[in-house]
Parts: sequence; structure tokens; C-alpha cells
Amino acid sequence: AQTVTQSQPEMSVQEAETVTLSCTYDTSESNYYLFWYKQPPSRQMILVIRQEAYKQQNATENRFSVNFQKAAKSFSLKISDSQLGDTAMYFCAFMKSRGGNQFYFGTGTSLTVIP
Amino acid sequence: GAVVSQHPSRVICKSGTSVKIECRSLDFQATTMFWYRQFPKKSLMLMATSNEGSKATYEQGVEKDKFLINHASLTLSTLTVTSAHPEDSSFYICSASQRIGGISNQPQHFGDGTRLSIL
Repeated sequence: AQTVTQSQPEMSVQEAETVTLSCTYDTSESNYYLFWYKQPPSRQMILVIRQEAYKQQNATENRFSVNFQKAAKSFSLKISDSQLGDTAMYFCAFMKSRGGNQFYFGTGTSLTVIP
Repeated sequence: GAVVSQHPSRVICKSGTSVKIECRSLDFQATTMFWYRQFPKKSLMLMATSNEGSKATYEQGVEKDKFLINHASLTLSTLTVTSAHPEDSSFYICSASQRIGGISNQPQHFGDGTRLSIL
């Protein structure tokens, strides 16, 4: 079975600063995908970034980047130059590459950006 | 990008009523749709996986007769909460994904959710 752990229930960061959200997972699969989703107060689920396990290069999307450590089964999200609009719940998700597109979600981290 | 429409966004109804929630993929064919339930400040809890043309697969503890799922086409899945009671009040989210070339490599695209309140 796959499990995803987010050990930081709540975090805060000053506007314009950098923050890192942690995520670890457990799997016996060799190929899989990892995602970070953002859920603002509107409760829309917004895809922030994705990483294919077979790629060694860390994914980057503008101010968002990941630190993917496959051996350690770690997938942290770094948000640079934090903005007020980044305030949201952040969920880490795991998806196997075979057997369907089912997601395994972490418990989430509530991030507050302080002006 | 891929768009998933979920309707209605908000429902308030009396206890004993059945409520239907629709989930549509607007610009792609969704081979699989998922239904989640989310409590305040909690993660998404998978209720069931819906494959077009076949019966839904329910997660342990989810009542099949209570939460009826129909995936009649590649663009539409519905969740019907039958004889809803106050304890069924929650936020329900659907998502849809596609398999390209038989490979599951596409992220799920989420609807905006339905806030269900049973009085």
C-alpha cells in the first residue's frame, strides 16, 4: 500500500520570504508520479507542480520548485517570494504509473502568508 | 487545459431527500472519475472510483446503496446521495483523469466541489 505523510499541519511565512513544505511517502513501486496541489479558501484543487519518479531533475514552475529525493522517498515543495495569494492548504499526492490514476493524498499543510 | 465542471456548487435540503451531483469533463474523455469527501481542514477522502461503462469501486466503509455512482459516458459521472441525513453534510469533490495510450500518467483534474448541507 502507498502512504503519504505531511508532518507539518500548519506553517506560516512572511510575504516575499521562502518556505518549504515537506512530504514523504512509502511505496514499493519503481515508477510513479508525485504532485503538489493547492486548495485556497475557495476550495478549488489547483495543480501546483508534478514530478515523474524516473526523472532525476527537480521540477520547477515559476516560484514553485521541488526537492525530489527518490532514495529517501521525500518530495518537498519550496515556495519562493511568497505572496498573499499563496495562503492555502497544500496537499502532496502520489500516483502509481500503472493500475489506474488513483491518488494517495497526504493530510495537508495549511500555509499562511503574513503581510 | 483540462476542465472539470461540477454541479451544483451548493445544496441545502431537508433530511430524507435524495441529492444528485454531476461531474463533467468538458474538453477531454475521462476514462476514470473519482469521488471524494472532505471534512473541514482535512484531506480528501476517496469514496469511490468510477470507470465508464462499469460498476464503481467503493472504498471500505462507504455504503454503496447510500452513495450511488453512475458513469454513463466518458464525460459524465453522477453521485446520488440517497435519503440524505445531517451526517451526510460535507464537501464533495469529483475529479477526472484520462489514460493516454493505456498509460496512467495524467494528473487528476478536479471539479470545484459541492457543499451539501442537510437540515
